[in-house]
Amino acid sequence: DAGVTQSPTHLIKTRGQQVTLRCSPKSGHDTVSWYQQALGQGPQFIFQYYEEEERQRGNFPDRFSGHQFPNYSSELNVNALLLGDSALYLCASSLDGGNIQYFGAGTRLSVL
Amino acid sequence: QKEVEQDPGPLSVPEGAIVSLNCTYSNSAFQYFMWYRQYSRKGPELLMYTYSSGNKEDGRFTAQVDKSSKYISLFIRDSQPSDSATYLCAMSARGGTSYGKLTFGQGTILTVHP
Repeated sequence: DAGVTQSPTHLIKTRGQQVTLRCSPKSGHDTVSWYQQALGQGPQFIFQYYEEEERQRGNFPDRFSGHQFPNYSSELNVNALLLGDSALYLCASSLDGGNIQYFGAGTRLSVL
Repeated sequence: QKEVEQDPGPLSVPEGAIVSLNCTYSNSAFQYFMWYRQYSRKGPELLMYTYSSGNKEDGRFTAQVDKSSKYISLFIRDSQPSDSATYLCAMSARGGTSYGKLTFGQGTILTVHP
């Protein structure tokens, strides 16, 4: 049973650049949620995708955008990167937009 | 004030000790309560979840929810060095605008030394 997979594992970008992170949900799941985890902090909810639409959004600027594909995989895009965007980006999958969420290993983004 | 408060520790205990980890929250709409374990540079791993109030036990782990006090706990019995990790509490509402959105505590760093 494949768990949640994320790619790449690590990225280094410079300020102003754009980045795309990818996530495949756990087998049988149809919902993907994205979180940002700063060092020493708990994850912060960015948004959730269900049925290929953004269903919920946290307190993040619209530089953060996403997409969900028909096979339920998802992308997170961040434009005009800032130094403060450096964090671990986590993808979580669930069923029917639910609260029981399983996380991937994350993508560590460093913005220089 | 944060919706979910969690003492970041760090907490250091000897092997075999009983560990108590706690979170408090302010949003009375929270109905789902989760505990995650996160090893260094890894993603959070779901340990246990509870809906509404009460206790739930799974092996050496016991989760308790006291909604009247807005307080949740995770107990680890017979702690092992392999339990050394950051423990995150997370919560969500049953419905409405917060359904599907997990709100996390800061995490408690636990070290179990042999």
